[in-house]
Amino acid sequence: EAQVTQNPRYLITVTGKKLTVTCSQNMNHEYMSWYRQDPGLGLRQIYYSMNVEVTDKGDVPEGYKVSRKEKRNFPLILESPSPNQTSLYFCASSSRDPRLFGYTFGSGTRLTVV
Amino acid sequence: DAKTTQPPSMDCAEGRAANLPCNHSTISGNEYVYWYRQIHSQGPQYIIHGLKNNETNEMASLIITEDRKSSTLILPHATLRDTAVYYCIAQSNTPLVFGKGTRLSVIA
Repeated sequence: EAQVTQNPRYLITVTGKKLTVTCSQNMNHEYMSWYRQDPGLGLRQIYYSMNVEVTDKGDVPEGYKVSRKEKRNFPLILESPSPNQTSLYFCASSSRDPRLFGYTFGSGTRLTVV
Repeated sequence: DAKTTQPPSMDCAEGRAANLPCNHSTISGNEYVYWYRQIHSQGPQYIIHGLKNNETNEMASLIITEDRKSSTLILPHATLRDTAVYYCIAQSNTPLVFGKGTRLSVIA
Protein backbone atom coordinates (compact mmCIF):
# COMPACT_ATOMS: atom_id res chain seq x y z
CA GLU A 1 0.00 0.00 0.00
CA ALA A 2 1.30 3.44 -0.96
CA GLN A 3 1.83 5.43 2.20
CA VAL A 4 3.79 7.90 4.26
CA THR A 5 4.73 6.52 7.66
CA GLN A 6 5.54 8.77 10.58
CA ASN A 7 6.81 7.68 13.96
CA PRO A 8 6.02 8.11 16.74
CA ARG A 9 2.31 9.01 16.65
CA TYR A 10 2.47 10.57 20.10
CA LEU A 11 5.45 11.90 22.02
CA ILE A 12 5.82 13.73 25.32
CA THR A 13 9.29 15.04 26.05
CA VAL A 14 11.08 17.55 28.23
CA THR A 15 12.59 20.85 27.21
CA GLY A 16 16.05 20.49 25.75
CA LYS A 17 16.05 16.74 25.13
CA LYS A 18 16.92 16.10 21.49
CA LEU A 19 14.39 14.11 19.52
CA THR A 20 13.83 12.84 15.99
CA VAL A 21 10.52 12.24 14.25
CA THR A 22 10.95 9.79 11.41
CA CYS A 23 9.17 9.91 8.06
CA SER A 24 9.34 7.30 5.34
CA GLN A 25 7.51 6.94 2.01
CA ASN A 26 7.31 3.92 -0.30
CA MET A 27 6.22 5.67 -3.50
CA ASN A 28 9.64 6.73 -4.82
CA HIS A 29 8.57 10.36 -4.53
CA GLU A 30 11.07 13.13 -5.13
CA TYR A 31 9.33 15.77 -3.00
CA MET A 32 8.97 15.54 0.76
CA SER A 33 7.88 18.12 3.28
CA TRP A 34 7.19 18.73 6.96
CA TYR A 35 4.28 20.80 8.30
CA ARG A 36 3.14 21.75 11.74
CA GLN A 37 -0.44 22.53 12.63
CA ASP A 38 -1.54 24.71 15.51
CA PRO A 39 -5.04 25.92 16.44
CA GLY A 40 -5.88 29.16 14.67
CA LEU A 41 -2.65 29.11 12.63
CA GLY A 42 -3.42 26.28 10.23
CA LEU A 43 -0.82 24.19 8.43
CA ARG A 44 2.57 25.83 8.21
CA GLN A 45 5.52 24.44 6.36
CA ILE A 46 8.73 23.80 8.28
CA TYR A 47 11.14 22.36 5.71
CA TYR A 48 10.87 20.72 2.33
CA SER A 49 13.09 18.68 0.04
CA MET A 50 12.98 18.53 -3.75
CA ASN A 51 15.27 15.50 -3.94
CA VAL A 52 18.08 13.66 -2.19
CA GLU A 53 20.55 16.04 -0.51
CA VAL A 54 18.38 19.06 -1.41
CA THR A 55 16.50 20.75 1.42
CA ASP A 56 15.00 24.22 1.85
CA LYS A 57 13.43 26.22 4.65
CA GLY A 58 9.71 26.70 4.75
CA ASP A 59 7.82 29.33 6.70
CA VAL A 60 8.73 28.27 10.23
CA PRO A 61 12.15 26.52 10.20
CA GLU A 62 13.57 27.91 13.45
CA GLY A 63 14.40 25.19 15.96
CA TYR A 64 14.23 22.36 13.43
CA LYS A 65 16.65 20.44 11.25
CA VAL A 66 16.08 17.94 8.48
CA SER A 67 18.16 15.67 6.30
CA ARG A 68 17.50 13.80 3.05
CA LYS A 69 20.23 11.21 2.68
CA GLU A 70 17.94 8.71 0.99
CA LYS A 71 14.94 9.27 -1.23
CA ARG A 72 12.49 7.47 1.02
CA ASN A 73 13.38 9.06 4.39
CA PHE A 74 13.04 12.63 5.62
CA PRO A 75 13.53 12.84 9.41
CA LEU A 76 12.67 15.95 11.41
CA ILE A 77 15.14 16.74 14.17
CA LEU A 78 14.53 18.96 17.19
CA GLU A 79 17.96 19.55 18.70
CA SER A 80 16.68 21.36 21.80
CA PRO A 81 12.88 21.22 21.95
CA SER A 82 10.98 24.01 23.64
CA PRO A 83 7.33 24.23 24.75
CA ASN A 84 6.45 26.41 21.74
CA GLN A 85 7.20 23.40 19.54
CA THR A 86 4.28 21.55 21.05
CA SER A 87 2.21 20.88 17.96
CA LEU A 88 0.75 18.36 15.52
CA TYR A 89 3.31 17.49 12.84
CA PHE A 90 2.69 16.07 9.39
CA CYS A 91 5.11 14.67 6.86
CA ALA A 92 4.11 14.54 3.18
CA SER A 93 5.52 13.36 -0.14
CA SER A 94 4.73 13.84 -3.81
CA SER A 95 5.90 13.04 -7.31
CA ARG A 96 7.55 15.94 -9.14
CA ASP A 97 5.44 15.26 -12.25
CA PRO A 98 2.63 17.85 -12.12
CA ARG A 99 0.27 15.41 -13.82
CA LEU A 100 0.82 13.02 -10.96
CA PHE A 101 1.24 15.68 -8.35
CA GLY A 102 -0.68 15.36 -5.16
CA TYR A 103 0.82 15.20 -1.71
CA THR A 104 0.28 12.08 0.38
CA PHE A 105 0.34 12.92 4.07
CA GLY A 106 1.29 10.81 7.04
CA SER A 107 -1.06 10.27 9.97
CA GLY A 108 0.64 12.89 12.10
CA THR A 109 2.80 13.09 15.22
CA ARG A 110 1.39 14.86 18.23
CA LEU A 111 4.33 16.31 20.15
CA THR A 112 4.12 17.77 23.64
CA VAL A 113 7.18 19.51 25.11
CA VAL A 114 6.98 20.17 28.85
CA ASP B 1 1.82 31.66 -5.96
CA ALA B 2 -1.71 32.93 -6.45
CA LYS B 3 -3.71 33.93 -3.39
CA THR B 4 -6.96 32.02 -2.96
CA THR B 5 -10.16 33.10 -1.25
CA GLN B 6 -12.64 30.61 0.17
CA PRO B 7 -15.71 31.06 2.38
CA PRO B 8 -14.83 30.14 5.96
CA SER B 9 -17.72 27.73 6.35
CA MET B 10 -20.58 26.04 4.51
CA ASP B 11 -23.36 23.60 5.31
CA CYS B 12 -24.71 20.90 3.04
CA ALA B 13 -27.55 18.43 3.49
CA GLU B 14 -26.58 14.78 3.38
CA GLY B 15 -27.13 13.27 -0.06
CA ARG B 16 -27.06 16.63 -1.81
CA ALA B 17 -24.22 17.99 -3.91
CA ALA B 18 -21.70 20.14 -2.07
CA ASN B 19 -20.31 22.96 -4.19
CA LEU B 20 -17.26 24.61 -2.69
CA PRO B 21 -16.11 27.81 -4.40
CA CYS B 22 -12.61 29.22 -4.62
CA ASN B 23 -11.38 32.51 -6.06
CA HIS B 24 -7.88 32.72 -7.49
CA SER B 25 -8.05 35.84 -9.61
CA THR B 26 -4.26 36.32 -9.74
CA ILE B 27 -3.50 32.81 -10.97
CA SER B 28 -0.84 32.61 -13.65
CA GLY B 29 -0.73 30.36 -16.67
CA ASN B 30 1.45 27.64 -15.21
CA GLU B 31 -0.27 27.40 -11.84
CA TYR B 32 -2.46 24.43 -11.09
CA VAL B 33 -5.48 24.43 -8.80
CA TYR B 34 -5.31 21.79 -6.06
CA TRP B 35 -7.92 20.68 -3.57
CA TYR B 36 -7.24 18.90 -0.32
CA ARG B 37 -9.37 18.16 2.69
CA GLN B 38 -8.60 17.49 6.32
CA ILE B 39 -10.89 15.51 8.54
CA HIS B 40 -10.39 16.46 12.16
CA SER B 41 -6.67 16.18 13.07
CA GLN B 42 -5.99 13.59 10.38
CA GLY B 43 -3.39 14.21 7.69
CA PRO B 44 -4.73 16.27 4.78
CA GLN B 45 -6.03 14.17 1.92
CA TYR B 46 -5.45 15.02 -1.74
CA ILE B 47 -8.73 15.25 -3.66
CA ILE B 48 -8.12 16.54 -7.17
CA HIS B 49 -6.17 19.06 -9.21
CA GLY B 50 -6.38 20.71 -12.62
CA LEU B 51 -4.80 23.29 -14.90
CA LYS B 52 -7.57 24.54 -17.16
CA ASN B 53 -9.82 21.65 -18.08
CA ASN B 54 -12.52 20.34 -15.79
CA GLU B 55 -11.48 17.21 -13.99
CA THR B 56 -13.36 14.33 -12.38
CA ASN B 57 -12.25 11.42 -10.27
CA GLU B 58 -13.87 8.98 -7.90
CA MET B 59 -14.02 11.55 -5.12
CA ALA B 60 -15.07 14.79 -6.77
CA SER B 61 -15.29 17.05 -9.80
CA LEU B 62 -13.33 20.23 -10.34
CA ILE B 63 -14.83 22.95 -12.48
CA ILE B 64 -12.44 25.73 -13.52
CA THR B 65 -13.83 28.84 -15.19
CA GLU B 66 -12.61 29.67 -18.67
CA ASP B 67 -10.61 32.67 -17.41
CA ARG B 68 -9.23 30.44 -14.62
CA LYS B 69 -9.96 33.05 -12.00
CA SER B 70 -12.18 30.79 -9.97
CA SER B 71 -13.05 27.15 -9.50
CA THR B 72 -15.61 24.95 -7.79
CA LEU B 73 -15.10 21.61 -6.13
CA ILE B 74 -18.19 19.43 -6.36
CA LEU B 75 -18.87 16.49 -4.09
CA PRO B 76 -21.84 14.96 -5.93
CA HIS B 77 -23.56 13.19 -3.03
CA ALA B 78 -22.21 14.48 0.27
CA THR B 79 -22.17 12.12 3.24
CA LEU B 80 -21.51 12.79 6.92
CA ARG B 81 -17.96 11.51 6.36
CA ASP B 82 -17.32 14.42 4.01
CA THR B 83 -17.45 16.84 6.94
CA ALA B 84 -13.97 18.38 6.87
CA VAL B 85 -11.94 21.48 6.13
CA TYR B 86 -11.40 21.85 2.38
CA TYR B 87 -8.36 23.69 1.07
CA CYS B 88 -8.02 25.25 -2.37
CA ILE B 89 -4.43 25.98 -3.42
CA ALA B 90 -3.21 27.61 -6.61
CA GLN B 91 0.48 27.33 -7.37
CA SER B 92 2.99 26.03 -9.85
CA ASN B 93 5.49 24.23 -7.73
CA THR B 94 5.97 22.48 -4.49
CA PRO B 95 5.80 22.94 -1.69
CA LEU B 96 2.11 23.53 -1.07
CA VAL B 97 1.11 26.51 1.03
CA PHE B 98 -2.18 26.02 2.84
CA GLY B 99 -4.65 28.80 3.61
CA LYS B 100 -7.50 28.59 6.11
CA GLY B 101 -9.87 26.64 3.87
CA THR B 102 -13.63 26.12 4.07
CA ARG B 103 -15.14 24.14 6.92
CA LEU B 104 -17.86 22.00 5.31
CA SER B 105 -20.48 20.57 7.63
CA VAL B 106 -22.69 17.86 6.16
CA ILE B 107 -25.95 17.73 8.04
CA ALA B 108 -28.22 14.69 8.32
